Amino acid sequence: EAGVAQSPRYKIIEKRQSVAFWCNPISGHATLYWYQQILGQGPKLLIQFQNNGVVDDSQLPKDRFSAERLKGVDSTLKIQPAKLEDSAVYLCASRGNEQFFGPGTRLTVL
Amino acid sequence: AQSVAQPEDQVNVAEGNPLTVKCTYSVSGNPYLFWYVQYPNRGLQFLLKYITGDNLVKGSYGFEAEFNKSQTSFHLKKPSALVSDSALYFCAVRAPNYGGSQGNLIFGKGTKLSVKP
Repeated sequence: EAGVAQSPRYKIIEKRQSVAFWCNPISGHATLYWYQQILGQGPKLLIQFQNNGVVDDSQLPKDRFSAERLKGVDSTLKIQPAKLEDSAVYLCASRGNEQFFGPGTRLTVL
Repeated sequence: AQSVAQPEDQVNVAEGNPLTVKCTYSVSGNPYLFWYVQYPNRGLQFLLKYITGDNLVKGSYGFEAEFNKSQTSFHLKKPSALVSDSALYFCAVRAPNYGGSQGNLIFGKGTKLSVKP
């Protein structure tokens, strides 16, 4: 079974620039999550999708972060404009019996 | 509010010795508890979970965890540590009836396990 795919693996940008991350969940998984993991901390949920609908985005900084899952499969997470404190690993997960995580995208904002 | 505490930033163990990584939780109602492991530059991997039933849960790679309701703890254990077990370990909790959400996990800050030969 193929796992959760994410790209890019690494991204370096300057503050105030925009960036987008892509996630392809495990086939057949209706629930998809985006987490932010700051160095030295555990992952924190940003947004949860059920198919193409948002279930929970209460912790998403909506003034700069956006996410979509238009066809209920792939998802993109965008940051515009980025701030220094957005430097983190962005993890995508999809859920079957358990949550399965992708390798993450490490974002560095200079 | 649900929360998870991992009181140790790092645990050092000699290979072959037993290991324990501690986790305590705070949640209303009966908790769903999880352990994940994270190797460098890789995503989190599921180790084990407790939903109900036996307090001792067995998982992947020889790990087990003991649920203790009175102490609100869910410590991860392994009888004999391997050098390859060195990684970052995360405890997580999910409340069984969390509003309209399904399966949101709240993670602890993680514990770095270092197993020396």
